[in-house]
Amino acid sequence: DTEVTQTPKHLVMGMTNKKSLKCEQHMGHRAMYWYKQKAKKPPELMFVYSYEKLSINESVPSRFSPECPNSSLLNLHLHALQPEDSALYLCASSRAGGGSPLHFGNGTRLTVT
Amino acid sequence: GEDVEQSLFLSVREGDSSVINCTYTDSSSTYLYWYKQEPGAGLQLLTYIFSNMDMKQDQRLTVLLNKKDKHLSLRIADTQTGDSAIYFCAESISNAGNMLTFGGGTRLMVKP
Repeated sequence: DTEVTQTPKHLVMGMTNKKSLKCEQHMGHRAMYWYKQKAKKPPELMFVYSYEKLSINESVPSRFSPECPNSSLLNLHLHALQPEDSALYLCASSRAGGGSPLHFGNGTRLTVT
Repeated sequence: GEDVEQSLFLSVREGDSSVINCTYTDSSSTYLYWYKQEPGAGLQLLTYIFSNMDMKQDQRLTVLLNKKDKHLSLRIADTQTGDSAIYFCAESISNAGNMLTFGGGTRLMVKP
């Protein structure tokens, strides 16, 4: 079992849809992350929030819009996605500060049609 | 620059030991991690080691770090079929917070 919960587990959306991915943790972590993982590849960092503020955006297209409403929640809003955006989207959290291990959720499997 | 490399595939028989290797290039790495990913799941943190340590043991898992050669290994004793998964090593750099650089992953197959 993971202490980072992601919903939904699976999502199929068209290129004109708007949807959101949700992530929740109750470990008191103040850093939260979105990663994208394509098949047979390692995860790639998209965004980092530290103390509810966006600290890193790895040049992600604006069709992905993150939001951190409070210290326990992290959302990823999706709009006008492309088929190549189909992937496993992983949320992670950690204590803020260097050297703290990341704890990952089980991910949302996104398919864009 | 940052570069973490792993071999793609390892096959062992149930009950044998598995050794998964990883090399990294950034000498300022502070922590090195091993994650396990089963099909359709997220990444499970297995263990991690601080760069001033040589070895860490946790039940069936032993991590060895050769900082001079920038080589990290994960040994799984008495490998079971449930250990079949992809194993990722990752490094974090002291001046980059908790940002991780992942290796490409090693697929471990355990044959009964």
